[in-house]
Order: sequence, then C-alpha cells, then structure tokens
Amino acid sequence: EVQLVDSGGALVQPGGSLRLSCVASGFPFSSYWMTWVRQAPGKGLEWVANIKPDGSEKFYVDSVKGRFTISRDNAKNSLFLEMNNLRADDTAVYYCARDTAVVGVESWGQGTLVTVSS
Amino acid sequence: AIQMTQSPSSLSASVGDRVTITCRASQGIGSDLNWYQQKPGKAPKLLIYEISSLQRGVPSRFSASGSETEFILTIHGLQPEDFATYYCLQGYTYPYTFGQGTKLEIK
Repeated sequence: EVQLVDSGGALVQPGGSLRLSCVASGFPFSSYWMTWVRQAPGKGLEWVANIKPDGSEKFYVDSVKGRFTISRDNAKNSLFLEMNNLRADDTAVYYCARDTAVVGVESWGQGTLVTVSS
Repeated sequence: AIQMTQSPSSLSASVGDRVTITCRASQGIGSDLNWYQQKPGKAPKLLIYEISSLQRGVPSRFSASGSETEFILTIHGLQPEDFATYYCLQGYTYPYTFGQGTKLEIK
C-alpha cells in the first residue's frame, strides 16, 4: 500500500525558514516524480513544486521560486521542501504526493500545517 | 501559467441527482486533466485521470469527458458520501494549475 507521511509543519515568524519532510513507503520511491501541493486555510489547492526521480529536474510555481527548494533522498525514501523567507501568504497545509507519468498526481500524504505569523 | 476556471463555484443538489461540473483551460492542455474530490480536513482523492479514465476503486457513477480546453465531470445518482469539494488539475505544462474548486452541498 502506498503511504506518504508528511511532517515538519510549525508556527514560524515572517522571514523565517522551515523544512518539510515526507517519508514514503509501499512503492519504489526512487522511480517516481514527487510533488508538493498546498492549501491555504479555507482556500483551494495550489501546486507548489515537483522533482524528477533522480533529482535532476525541479519545477516551481512562480510565487515560491528563489525561496523554496524541493529535494529528495532516495536512499531514505524521503522528499523535502526547504522554505526560506516565509511570508504570511505561505500559510497553508502542505501535502506531498506521488506523480506518475500516466495518472498524474495521485497518492497524497495527510498534510502538515505551516503557519507564518508574528 | 494556464488558468483553469471551474464552474459553478458551488452547487446544491439532492441524493439521487445528476450533477455536472465544468473546467475550462485558458489554452489547450491535451489530455492532461485530472479531477479530485476533497472532504473537509482530508487530503484530496484522485477520481479521474487523462480526462475520462476512472481511477481504480472509484465508483462508476463518476464519469468525465472533454478535450483541449473544456472538460466536464458528471456524477450520476448522487450519494451522501459525494458531498465534497471537487477540483480539476492540468498537468500539461508547468506550473501545474488547479481550478478554484466546486463545493457540492446537500439541498
């Protein structure tokens, strides 16, 4: 069974940094693109970033470029999102998800809440 | 970025009804269109991929169609568990973009 467990969310001050993690199990992690999606409180879903299986390609939504970095450790079946210079509008539940060539974004983690506030 | 416009933004319906939700893309996206269902406090769930393919385990009352810029999700015979928010997602080009969502409520 595919399982994705998100963690690392916290309350952080504007301008601060945070690192989110997602541990995967139940599938060959190193063979899949992985994605981060976020959802601000009471709002819709926003695709944030994704990363190729070997980590050699990464894509971001414009609003996080230069501030967020997606990475992975295939030996530890782990996906990360390093978030710097956080702003109030980054406040959201962040979900990691598996991204397949045919089906697209499919299996999702449970989400982790990031709150940016002073 | 490709804009995905969903309509309606909210919808009231009764158990047993047939409902349709539309998603329009600002440019052609081929077949890279998925539909998701999300219930409060839960992660989204994939319902449909590649415009019209039913994800494994999803009831057959869900169906979808469309092409290039206009896409439709249909639910035949609404069940109580179908009341949720639905999103489309284009995976044709980066950044991927979601529709703003359609909240389906019980009448």
